[in-house]
Amino acid sequence: DQQVKQNSPSLSVQEGRISILNCDYTNSMFDYFLWYKKYPAEGPTFLISISSIKDKNEDGRFTVFLNKSAKHLSLHIVPSQPGDSAVYFCAASAQSSYKLIFGSGTRLLVRP
Amino acid sequence: SAVISQKPSRDICQRGTSLTIQCQVDSQVTMMFWYRQQPGQSLTLIATANQGSEATYESGFVIDKFPISRPNLTFSTLTVSNMSPEDSSIYLCSARQGLNTEAFFGQGTRLTVV
Repeated sequence: DQQVKQNSPSLSVQEGRISILNCDYTNSMFDYFLWYKKYPAEGPTFLISISSIKDKNEDGRFTVFLNKSAKHLSLHIVPSQPGDSAVYFCAASAQSSYKLIFGSGTRLLVRP
Repeated sequence: SAVISQKPSRDICQRGTSLTIQCQVDSQVTMMFWYRQQPGQSLTLIATANQGSEATYESGFVIDKFPISRPNLTFSTLTVSNMSPEDSSIYLCSARQGLNTEAFFGQGTRLTVV
């Protein structure tokens, strides 16, 4: 039972354009959401998070949008850079739980 | 933030043997976790490492196969016991200071069982 889903295994974008990575969840108890970036042979690196009391959070080139009614969040990267090429995971945690539940990841390729 | 050092970074082991992975955090943290990432798949939580008590295992993972220690607030170990080729994965240590905060990860241990 996948509680966090990333339905696109891969995404290819031209440098300078916008990258949009999507994530869906099924557990209505989730109230905190995070995005991580992972390069090969490294651990995941935290990018940005959002609490369920917000619908948008922005940090430089990265913006996360949350649609609670649709149980959907997305990560926007603008402008995309070749160094952004990595696997991106979304994760969620439920109220009063320290555990993070991860999606399956989306491999982003930013073409020069 | 927290810096997590994990070792070994990789190992090749014979089936039937055991490997202990160490995780050291540079500051005291509330919660520590162990994840597994099988090739091409997501991060799956193995267990929560509880300081001073037995770890809390997720469905599908048992203490006999993955014994975990957490003697203090900065250190934990995961042992992969009686290994088989199916245990070949990346094992990741993680720490989280509180609710509604990010989790930090070590660089992972790439285990190959032959």
